[in-house]
Order: sequence, then C-alpha cells, then structure tokens
Amino acid sequence: KNQVEQSPQSLIILEGKNCTLQCNYTVSPFSNLRWYKQDTGRGPVSLTIMTFSENTKSNGRYTATLDADTKQSSLHITASQLSDSASYICVVSARNSGNTPLVFGKGTRLSVIA
Amino acid sequence: ETGVTQTPRHLVMGMTNKKSLKCEQHLGHNAMYWYKQSAKKPLELMFVYNFKEQTENNSVPSRFSPECPNSSHLFLHLHTLQPEDSALYLCASSQDWGTGEAFFGQGTRLTVV
Repeated sequence: KNQVEQSPQSLIILEGKNCTLQCNYTVSPFSNLRWYKQDTGRGPVSLTIMTFSENTKSNGRYTATLDADTKQSSLHITASQLSDSASYICVVSARNSGNTPLVFGKGTRLSVIA
Repeated sequence: ETGVTQTPRHLVMGMTNKKSLKCEQHLGHNAMYWYKQSAKKPLELMFVYNFKEQTENNSVPSRFSPECPNSSHLFLHLHTLQPEDSALYLCASSQDWGTGEAFFGQGTRLTVV
C-alpha cells in the first residue's frame, strides 16, 4: 500500500533556530516528491519538487533532500522566522498509477515562537 | 495567489440545507480535484476530473455531488450533510491528471450544524 509517513507530528522551535522535518514513503513506482507549506485555514503551497535523480534542492531558507534508495526525504529550514509557522506536507507522486497518483502525508505542524 | 479560487471561504449549514462550493482556475489546467481535510488527518481525495470527465470517485457518499461544466470550473453540491462532514474542502488543479504540480485553492471551511 502506498503510504507517506511524516515526523515529527508537531514541533516547536525558537525564532532563528534551524529544524529538519522527515518524510518516509513506500510509494512505488516513484515519480516525484513535493513539500508543501500550508498556513492554517488556507490551501497548501508548493515549496520544492524533487525527482528520482535529484538529491538536494533549495528554495530560499528551505532545503529538501531525497534519498530514493531508502525512500526518505527531509526538509531543512534555516534561521526560522515566525512566518514559518505552518503545516508542512510531504506529497509523493506515483508514476503510471492506476489509482490516485498523489499520496499525502499527515503533515508536521511547526510553531516558531519568539 | 495560486490561480485557483474557491468560494465561499467559510460556510455554515444545517443538516437539511443544500449548498454548493465553487472552484475556478485560470491556469489552463486540464485536471481538477476536490479534497477533504479533517483535523489531524491527511488530505483525502474525493473526486478527480480530467478534461471535464470524472475519472475518480473515492467512495464518497452521495450527499456530495460534483459537477464540472468546463475545464475551468468545478462545483461540489452538498445536501443533507452530517456534522462529521465539517472540514476544510480544498480544490486543486494540475496540467494533467497525475502529472505536474497541484495548485490548491484557499479552501472552504465548512461547518455542519
């Protein structure tokens, strides 16, 4: 069964600190992996997309890594800001899937405090 | 803005009411989706439309009825809902079904009383 597991479920950090969110998946055959940021009560917004051949991709203070062998991804946030407080959702796309190709994780709820 | 617009943003309805959620995308995408997001649960796919044709219905109760009159508009008609249907309903679109990035609307926060 295609699944995406994220950890931790929630995280509280001080403003200015770094943090890393984890995503493990069992989706196969793998097509790509995206990290979305979802502010409370709003729709998710894409941060990064990674394909099988990509190991690292950055978007400002956000850096995503992908290990396709171990089926793990991480999202590292540097020098966190209060506006980073949101849910971060890992979404894995299955290639040529007969069912829905997008498998969502439950998300990690990040709270950045002053 | 993501190019996907949902209305209304908030909706409170009684269990005997009939209401509709609207989604519009200006991205020229061919696929549109309805998702349900309940508290502490991952997004649940409800319906998929590809080129205006429904390609997927994930065992959604018949009290939810989708409509896709054209590739830019998607509706979700609601009737005789239950309190457990209260959730954030998200519309998304992508270039084609299952490919490309999914762009999400802001969602409609639905409360059934």
